[in-house]
Amino acid sequence: AQTVTQSQPEMSVQEAETVTLSCTYDTSESDYYLFWYKQPPSRQMILVIRQEAYKQQNATENRFSVNFQKAAKSFSLKISDSQLGDAAMYFCASSPEMDSNYQLIWGAGTKLIIKP
Amino acid sequence: EPEVTQTPSHQVTQMGQEVILRCVPISNHLYFYWYRQILGQKVEFLVSFYNNEISEKSEIFDDQFSVERPDGSNFTLKIRSTKLEDSAMYFCASSEESGAEQYFGPGTRLTVT
Repeated sequence: AQTVTQSQPEMSVQEAETVTLSCTYDTSESDYYLFWYKQPPSRQMILVIRQEAYKQQNATENRFSVNFQKAAKSFSLKISDSQLGDAAMYFCASSPEMDSNYQLIWGAGTKLIIKP
Repeated sequence: EPEVTQTPSHQVTQMGQEVILRCVPISNHLYFYWYRQILGQKVEFLVSFYNNEISEKSEIFDDQFSVERPDGSNFTLKIRSTKLEDSAMYFCASSEESGAEQYFGPGTRLTVT
């Protein structure tokens, strides 16, 4: 079975500083996608960033970037210049290709606290 | 910007009752999903739907659950006889193509008493 592991239940960072959230995954698929989703207190699930496994270049979206290490099956999220609005649960998810069904498999989440 | 919508935002029901959770996916999307998140736990996949049929379902998605796309816009999840353990946040998601990012609705909080 595919698994996604987030080993940090909670992280805190000072406003304007940089924080890195860890994620590892296990898959035997050759083609897959990786995602980071943000879930603020409203509980809406918001896509932060997406990475295709076949692309070696790390995805970036403004202050958010990933460190994708395919051999190590690691997919960490770096948030630069942290803002109070970044406070949320962050979920790492993988979307392995299984008969063309790209269901998302989720990690347990990391709660990010931003200290003013 | 187009978005996925879900109704109701909160549903309270008694054990044994049937509930229907409704979703309107983004209009040009072809793949639809239901997930659930029990409070404090990880998000779990329930079912995926494409071309008017279920393409994959998890062990959670037993005979009590069904999905339907009754018209060109709605995508519903029905729970026939709710149990206390069905209490959770239910998220609908849609994507334009397989492997593309899934866009989530705001969720329906289901409380079974």
